[in-house]
Amino acid sequence: EAGVTQFPSHSVIEKGQTVTLRCDPISGHDNLYWYRRVMGKEIKFLLHFVKESKQDESGMPNNRFLAERTGGTYSTLKVQPAELEDSGVYFCASSPGQETQYFGPGTRLLVL
Amino acid sequence: GNSVTQMEGPVTLSEEAFLTINCTYTATGYPSLFWYVQYPGEGLQLLLKATKADDKGSNKGFEATYRKETTSFHLEKGSVQVSDSAVYFCALSDRGGGFKTIFGAGTRLFVKA
Repeated sequence: EAGVTQFPSHSVIEKGQTVTLRCDPISGHDNLYWYRRVMGKEIKFLLHFVKESKQDESGMPNNRFLAERTGGTYSTLKVQPAELEDSGVYFCASSPGQETQYFGPGTRLLVL
Repeated sequence: GNSVTQMEGPVTLSEEAFLTINCTYTATGYPSLFWYVQYPGEGLQLLLKATKADDKGSNKGFEATYRKETTSFHLEKGSVQVSDSAVYFCALSDRGGGFKTIFGAGTRLFVKA
């Protein structure tokens, strides 16, 4: 069974540009979560989808971040325009509804 | 709100040394507790978990016991190997918040041969 995949693995962009991160959850997992770790600090929750609906987006830092999950399958996280402080590692996780979440390898974003 | 505090690193040990990484939590109710590990260049992997008080999670020689009275979940290993070098994250599952995971800051472990 394929695990959670994320694309791209790395992204280097300039301040002001747009970046879109993609997450493919484990097939059949209704719950999808986004997290990020910036500046070597703790990993912080961004938002939670149940199928295609946003269940909790309390962790989204500001309106430059837009997450979607059309059709309840893969999800995208767009940052527009990117700022220096957005640099970090963005993780996606999925779960079938239980507590254990399965994490992807992360996307390392560097904003210059 | 719910939070996790773990010892700051980096922690540097010689091979076969004993490892303890301290972790305490603040939570309403009784969350499940986890240790995740991130090896260099890889993603987050679940190392072990415990779902209720006095449960002991174990995996790959690592152990942690859910201590409700001290709100702790310290990670231990009796004899570390160079291959254990990684970043270790203590975490809890926010049952009242859609099971989102709340992480500690991570502790980097270096094991020298």
